[in-house]
Amino acid sequence: DGGITQSPKYLFRKEGQNVTLSCEQNLNHDAMYWYRQDPGQGLRLIYYSQIVNDFQKGDIAEGYSVSREKKESFPLTVTSAQKNPTAFYLCASRPDRGGRSPLHFGNGTRLTVT
Amino acid sequence: AQKVTQAQTEISVVEKEDVTLDCVYETRDTTYYLFWYKQPPSGELVFLIRRNSFDEQNEISGRYSWNFQKSTSSFNFTITASQVVDSAVYFCALSEADNYGQNFVFGPGTRLSVLP
Repeated sequence: DGGITQSPKYLFRKEGQNVTLSCEQNLNHDAMYWYRQDPGQGLRLIYYSQIVNDFQKGDIAEGYSVSREKKESFPLTVTSAQKNPTAFYLCASRPDRGGRSPLHFGNGTRLTVT
Repeated sequence: AQKVTQAQTEISVVEKEDVTLDCVYETRDTTYYLFWYKQPPSGELVFLIRRNSFDEQNEISGRYSWNFQKSTSSFNFTITASQVVDSAVYFCALSEADNYGQNFVFGPGTRLSVLP
């Protein structure tokens, strides 16, 4: 079955370390997204990519970086510059960049930085 | 600018009660799409429904129904005869037609607790 795989499910890091969250999809979707969710809050867009080798900043890109070298993969790096990295991170994809397509989500990665 | 408001932060009901989750949106576009997602405790967001701005017909799917009213910019979601498995956070979202994937705006979510 097609879907989006995020790994790991839980991730623990020490402050000052960079960490990379994996996101892989086998839906053949062009567009991929990273969202951050804090407790009791909605989703905020970090980065998105509409096509391979291209990506755009979302609303809260500071302290994060991404790459899109393959259509299937859109890893997110949380750098030491991110002041409050502890959060739940959700990866999503969409068949195309048209507004009518729903987002499909992975199961998320819960990152804890101490 | 786009905006989605879900005024109800948390709702608690007893099993078998009906419950309505409110969603109010703002957009300048004439063509747009509205969505509802369910986020169970496991964390994954599950797509429930999409509604086009040019189709105001209400929709029913089993115990779920959606009421879209352009005149009041609302897209409310009703669960009939709620069950414990309906306990989740529900998000309403808005996407404009030609946004090239950038603006898929979510509301803050409503946490629904269905008590046995």
